[in-house]
Amino acid sequence: DAGITQSPRHKVTETGTPVTLRCHQTENHRYMYWYRQDPGHGLRLIHYSYGVKDTDKGEVSDGYSVSRSKTEDFLLTLESATSSQTSVYFCAISSGTNYGYTFGSGTRLTVV
Amino acid sequence: DQQVKQNSPSLSVQEGRISILNCDYTNSMFDYFLWYKKYPAEGPTFLISISSIKDKNEDGRFTVFLNKSAKHLSLHIVPSQPGDSAVYFCAANLDRGSTLGRLYFGRGTQLTVWP
Repeated sequence: DAGITQSPRHKVTETGTPVTLRCHQTENHRYMYWYRQDPGHGLRLIHYSYGVKDTDKGEVSDGYSVSRSKTEDFLLTLESATSSQTSVYFCAISSGTNYGYTFGSGTRLTVV
Repeated sequence: DQQVKQNSPSLSVQEGRISILNCDYTNSMFDYFLWYKKYPAEGPTFLISISSIKDKNEDGRFTVFLNKSAKHLSLHIVPSQPGDSAVYFCAANLDRGSTLGRLYFGRGTQLTVWP
């Protein structure tokens, strides 16, 4: 496969707790993205990164933060999880040269 | 407001027939369009793309048509097979001249191909 892994694959957490999702790539791609997928909403961009320590907000960034200290890792943190953040989270990578993304397998997060 | 729209949440087609999935967009600055396919419990995978300077791109059973004046694109699958049953996402690239390649996605269409 394309060398992108997400961890954990599944997580159940309680409201108000912090949660960190990890995306790891072995492709040395510059660009990394976090999306969430919800019924009726498709894929919505949370945050993205265009290099180490270079990140920016997407369309649904409230309640989320990201960090990228190394090219290969892009972390998504829910600072204080809420039930509205129950979703499937996808990480994607791009070299920027072919306009396409490669997606990870997703993390299913349930906030109870 | 959603800039890429897939107005049909589902489509059911008999095996061997043509599947036509539609997508509309509102931003005339989009310069590249892509289709992704997604199976349950997996990430989306790239299927086919088209540049805004073309009106058709074909890859085996899959053809994408682009009508810029109508801001409409469609994905044709001929012949449809049961293994094509999946959610299909339409996506568009906005960053003209940029290598960032940020994509905007539609809400997806669930295609079911029955025998």
